[in-house]
Amino acid sequence: DAKTTQPNSMESNEEEPVHLPCNHSTISGTDYIHWYRQLPSQGPEYVIHGLTSNVNNRMASLAIAEDRKSSTLILHRATLRDAAVYYCILRAQGGSEKLVFGKGTKLTVNP
Amino acid sequence: DTAVSQTPKYLVTQMGNDKSIKCEQNLGHDTMYWYKQDSKKFLKIMFSYNNKELIINETVPNRFSPKSPDKAHLNLHINSLELGDSAVYFCASSQDPIPSTDTQYFGPGTRLTVL
Repeated sequence: DAKTTQPNSMESNEEEPVHLPCNHSTISGTDYIHWYRQLPSQGPEYVIHGLTSNVNNRMASLAIAEDRKSSTLILHRATLRDAAVYYCILRAQGGSEKLVFGKGTKLTVNP
Repeated sequence: DTAVSQTPKYLVTQMGNDKSIKCEQNLGHDTMYWYKQDSKKFLKIMFSYNNKELIINETVPNRFSPKSPDKAHLNLHINSLELGDSAVYFCASSQDPIPSTDTQYFGPGTRLTVL
């Protein structure tokens, strides 16, 4: 699985948008971009995934750069409950079932 | 109803003991996993089973033996526990036969402390 690079930590204020960046300059054409998050003392949970087009769901939006070398997870209005470690993970088509977690970005949300 | 459940939530034991962690999923998924999160918070895959058959074994010591009595359960048995086995163990499951697009659902974790 290709590598991703994320900032170690970010801070946001409650009810403001948050943009979490992920660089994946060695992404291949068939790698999907997945985001998971891990709230304190809980297991990871799926957030969103995409291939080329931007994606929206009830939790977040995923903006993918045109060259696919980077992507941004967007939380439109951060809440205290969004404080978590966010992981950007590439998954190759035809690749392994396992998720390969990096260090992720620890998001702190200030009230 | 909890989708992926693990028991126990906490496990404290002495070095050299044998212990088991149980995992059950009620999602009807075919694939189940065990991940380990160490003290530095790195999450790594240990095993994966699909329909009771082992498909991933990530160079885990053979003191760790997963057992899948049916596709809804994947238990983890650990022999001769060592200090370095102290970690949080997460069970997960998924259904999509295409790994690049599947979603994995994680349990709440079991915190194992070896004294």
